Amino acid sequence: ILNVEQSPQSLHVQEGDSTNFTCSFPSSNFYALHWYRWETAKSPEALFVMTLNGDEKKKGRISATLNTKEGYSYLYIKGSQPEDSATYLCAFKTTDSWGKFQFGAGTQVVVTP
Amino acid sequence: DGGITQSPKYLFRKEGQNVTLSCEQNLNHDAMYWYRQDPGQGLRLIYYSQIVNDFQKGDIAEGYSVSREKKESFPLTVTSAQKNPTAFYLCASSWGSYSNQPQHFGDGTRLSIL
Repeated sequence: ILNVEQSPQSLHVQEGDSTNFTCSFPSSNFYALHWYRWETAKSPEALFVMTLNGDEKKKGRISATLNTKEGYSYLYIKGSQPEDSATYLCAFKTTDSWGKFQFGAGTQVVVTP
Repeated sequence: DGGITQSPKYLFRKEGQNVTLSCEQNLNHDAMYWYRQDPGQGLRLIYYSQIVNDFQKGDIAEGYSVSREKKESFPLTVTSAQKNPTAFYLCASSWGSYSNQPQHFGDGTRLSIL
């Protein structure tokens, strides 16, 4: 089982502040990295699919970067809003994982007004 | 609206009983997955299916069984052999397990032991 780690486990952010957190994964045989947002009482929703080293993706105030050589991805939230409160999951797949994704435990973000 | 439907939302199991969790999708996706979530842990893969009438064990398949007789349906049975079944179960689907399309998730089923 591949080890995918997310840090920090949780963070509290004041409304308007920016924040970022990390997903670390094994750097060999990289295939794809996905980011999901999971709000309470809802199902996880896909944010980004990242496949190439150096990829940068953006969706509104949320963006992500990918470094496959060193095995990490950052997710950034600019000007956090209360609606950004959620658990953010990353999921990693290798070229030899037969279609299986390994999920991190998530970073729980709480944005307070 | 296209999506994934899991039922029931809450399920209680007696000792020694098998229970089946339902997962139906109308997204025309080929691949379907079952995950288990325990507090403080990431989603762990139980079983996945890339095509009708075919499925593979994930990382924690012991005590579970699945079937994939129809493209849109992927039920999960939690057998009495699963000694610690209390958890939150999520079903997901995608265009294909080798595609780079993201997974779509249901709302989950929370299973508890009576």
